Amino acid sequence: GESVGLHLPTLSVQEGDNSIINCAYSNSASDYFIWYKQESGKGPQFIIDIRSNMDKRQGQRVTVLLNKTVKHLSLQIAATQPGDSAVYFCAAASGNTPLVFGKGTRLSVIA
Amino acid sequence: ETGVTQTPRHLVMGMTNKKSLKCEQHLGHNAMYWYKQSAKKPLELMFVYNFKEQTENNSVPSRFSPECPNSSHLFLHLHTLQPEDSALYLCASSQDTQGYEQYFGPGTRLTVT
Repeated sequence: GESVGLHLPTLSVQEGDNSIINCAYSNSASDYFIWYKQESGKGPQFIIDIRSNMDKRQGQRVTVLLNKTVKHLSLQIAATQPGDSAVYFCAAASGNTPLVFGKGTRLSVIA
Repeated sequence: ETGVTQTPRHLVMGMTNKKSLKCEQHLGHNAMYWYKQSAKKPLELMFVYNFKEQTENNSVPSRFSPECPNSSHLFLHLHTLQPEDSALYLCASSQDTQGYEQYFGPGTRLTVT
C-alpha cells in the first residue's frame, strides 16, 4: 500500500523568506497529490493539488513540484508570513484508493 | 468556513458512556469520511461513505459505529471506548470518492477518562 512521509517534522523560516516543505511517497501508481494546512484548533484546509500528468502547479504564493522519478513532492511558499505558521500535510492517492496522509511538518515563521 | 460542521467540538466521556459525534456538510457532496488524528501520527482514515453506502472500513474496532442517514449527515457512535481512543476526530466530505479534494470540518476533541 501507499505510505507517505515528510522529510522534516519541523521547519523554521524567517518572515519574508521562501519555505520549502518536502514529502516522499512510495507507490509509483499514485496519480493525485494534495497539500493541506492545519492551524491550531482547526481542521486541515486545502492548499493546492496536482495530478501525475503535471510536474508543477502554481497557486497564490504557493507552488507544488512533483518529481515522479524519485517519488518526491514539495510545497514552496513564497515570502512566508506569520499567518503561514501551521502544520502542513501532503497526501497521495491512486485510482479509487482514498488519500493517504503523511505525518505533517510544523512550519514556524520567525518575525 | 469549509462548509463542514462538527458537533460537539469537545467531548469528555468515561469508558462506559455512549456518545455520538455529528458531522454535517453543506456542499452538496456525495462522499463523507471519518478520520482519527492523534499526536505525532498521520491522519488515520476510519470510514468512507459514498452515496450513503459504506465503502471503506479501515479495521476500526466495533466500539466505533458510523451511521450515514443521507449524503449530508454522518455520525460516529461511541461505546465503551478506551483512553487510547482520545484524539481529534475529523469529518471530511468530497464530491465523490474519486473527487479527491476533501473538505474538513474543525474536528471533535475527544477525551476518554
